[in-house]
Amino acid sequence: KNEVEQSPQNLTAQEGEFITINCSYSVGISALHWLQQHPGGGIVSLFMLSSGKKKHGRLIATINIQEKHSSLHITASHPRDSAVYICAVSTLKSSGDKLTFGTGTRLAVRP
Amino acid sequence: GAGVSQTPSNKVTEKGKYVELRCDPISGHTALYWYRQSLGQGPEFLIYFQGTGAADDSGLPNDRFFAVRPEGSVSTLKIQRTERGDSAVYLCASSPKAGAGETQYFGPGTRLLVL
Repeated sequence: KNEVEQSPQNLTAQEGEFITINCSYSVGISALHWLQQHPGGGIVSLFMLSSGKKKHGRLIATINIQEKHSSLHITASHPRDSAVYICAVSTLKSSGDKLTFGTGTRLAVRP
Repeated sequence: GAGVSQTPSNKVTEKGKYVELRCDPISGHTALYWYRQSLGQGPEFLIYFQGTGAADDSGLPNDRFFAVRPEGSVSTLKIQRTERGDSAVYLCASSPKAGAGETQYFGPGTRLLVL
């Protein structure tokens, strides 16, 4: 079993819909990251959080440390949000800040 | 300022050949990470540097893989006797310092294809 699991693997939405992507992890963590990867490979860090909730524009990330679960929400989705969204954690046992990644959620937003 | 850059962007080689992949981190970032991403998968950790030294190389799959960062800036990932299974996107990331709570800035990756 992977240390980081994401669901769903694939998601198709209509423009304007509210989107939720889930991430569960099985290890102790020091931080959880949400990343966005567009076709062609470029990865951008969206959020890094260790507790509570963060918001940036139409994106909201929450984390529940007790339940070892995080969600990424996109409000008023737009076709430009189409990308792969990856959850990654820095584990307590790891050195530095090396990340352990989920396999990603492929989001397609249709106009 | 300039982000993380990686060269080449694409590399096609034959099985058994030697390849070098270069990463140029953001200026002043002391921590540098190499990850490998196979098709349809999330990235996997290979090695990370704090300054010039490899602080953790536990993700290198075998002794055909080696990485250096001699001056604490540019890093080179070296793969000897390449195999078809080495085909992947090799990603580099840097952060101001190593430690939990630091954002990592990713390069565009080098897409390696071993024929």
